[in-house]
Amino acid sequence: EAGVAQSPRYKIIEKRQSVAFWCNPISGHATLYWYQQILGQGPKLLIQFQNNGVVDDSQLPKDRFSAERLKGVDSTLKIQPAKLEDSAVYLCASTNPSYEQYFGPGTRLTVT
Amino acid sequence: LAKTTQPISMDSYEGQEVNITCSHNNIATNDYITWYQQFPSQGPRFIIQGYKTKVTNEVASLFIPADRKSSTLSLPRVSLSDTAVYYCLVGDSSYKLIFGSGTRLLVRP
Repeated sequence: EAGVAQSPRYKIIEKRQSVAFWCNPISGHATLYWYQQILGQGPKLLIQFQNNGVVDDSQLPKDRFSAERLKGVDSTLKIQPAKLEDSAVYLCASTNPSYEQYFGPGTRLTVT
Repeated sequence: LAKTTQPISMDSYEGQEVNITCSHNNIATNDYITWYQQFPSQGPRFIIQGYKTKVTNEVASLFIPADRKSSTLSLPRVSLSDTAVYYCLVGDSSYKLIFGSGTRLLVRP
């Protein structure tokens, strides 16, 4: 079974630039998540999708972050414009019906 | 969702059994307990999940007392490759998980 795929793996941008991350969850997993993990901390949930609908985006900084999951499969997370404090690893995960979350390898974003 | 509290770090030696205890005093009736492992530069990996009593798989055991206000992850005979951060989480059927800071386990030769 293929795992959660994410791209790119690494991205370096300057502050005020835009960036987008892509995630392809495990086939058949209806629930998809985006997390932000700052070095030394646990993952912080940004947004949760159930199929193509948003379940929880209370922690998403909506003035600069946006996410979509068209057709209930792939998802993209965008930051526009980026700030220095957005430097982190962005993790995508999907969940099977037994509540087990499977994580992708993450995208390491560096904002200079 | 119930907040969890676990030790910031633990040290052990190869071959020893490691027990990491997590407290979740406000766990709700429908909540289940899950543990994840994370290596540097990787996403967290599911280890084990339980609701009550004891659960065992090929990697670990999870002990949950009757009041469910705490749980203990037991790693038998750890090796150097078990050095990682271990997260205890409590979740419900909303599929939402809130990560804390985790326990950094260091296994020494």
